[in-house]
Amino acid sequence: QSVLTQPPSASGTPGQRVTISCSGSSSNIGSNTVNWYQQLPGTAPKLLIYSNNQRPSGVPDRFSGSKSGTSASLAISGLQSEDEADYYCAAWDDSLNGPFVFGTGTKVTVL
Amino acid sequence: QLQLQESGPGLVKPSETLSLTCTVSGGSISSSSYYWGWIRQPPGKGLEWIGSIYYSGSTYYNPSLKSRVTISVDTSKNQFSLKLSSVTAADTAVYYCARHNLEQTTIFGVVNWFDPWGQGTLVTVSS
Repeated sequence: QSVLTQPPSASGTPGQRVTISCSGSSSNIGSNTVNWYQQLPGTAPKLLIYSNNQRPSGVPDRFSGSKSGTSASLAISGLQSEDEADYYCAAWDDSLNGPFVFGTGTKVTVL
Repeated sequence: QLQLQESGPGLVKPSETLSLTCTVSGGSISSSSYYWGWIRQPPGKGLEWIGSIYYSGSTYYNPSLKSRVTISVDTSKNQFSLKLSSVTAADTAVYYCARHNLEQTTIFGVVNWFDPWGQGTLVTVSS
């Protein structure tokens, strides 16, 4: 079982802002950086955010990441239909659970 | 542009060994600062990291799989491989390979991410 906990689902209407949380501990999020992945239906995951809040080239600025203590968040502003996907947080873990862990995943639905 | 492609049998019998290869194109597997990783996803479930390897052969493994996993690298072929022994139906999954950017820093701890990913290959464990 994953040590990074995410809500199973989140939803919003087009144009709304949706936030996904990722709860960890001092050995993972509290000590290391967080990244986020987007997995569209039937495709491989894609890096969305790295080093807590950095966007790779090509990722729209509607996506933003933040970290505070042992939790992290992904925000999607101006939600669009093509944002309907599964989202995973991930981090290095310094404990026996590690050294690398993914979150449980959140399904985002655009209503 | 760096691309990764998984290859190997799509069907493996229970108790046998699953073997997959990831071929890297558009860049060298011997690049410094990068590890190369395997991740899997059972049907309808979340992502599970399996392990990562540096071109020198240094590895990190998921503790829950460590006793059954071997990841190796062949720099002459620009490939890295996964072997998972004694498979059961629970090992049925889509297996992905990806470049693993991994760096230990003094300020931010371990900075790491997977990018890019291969398209994935479904491996079914069944008799």
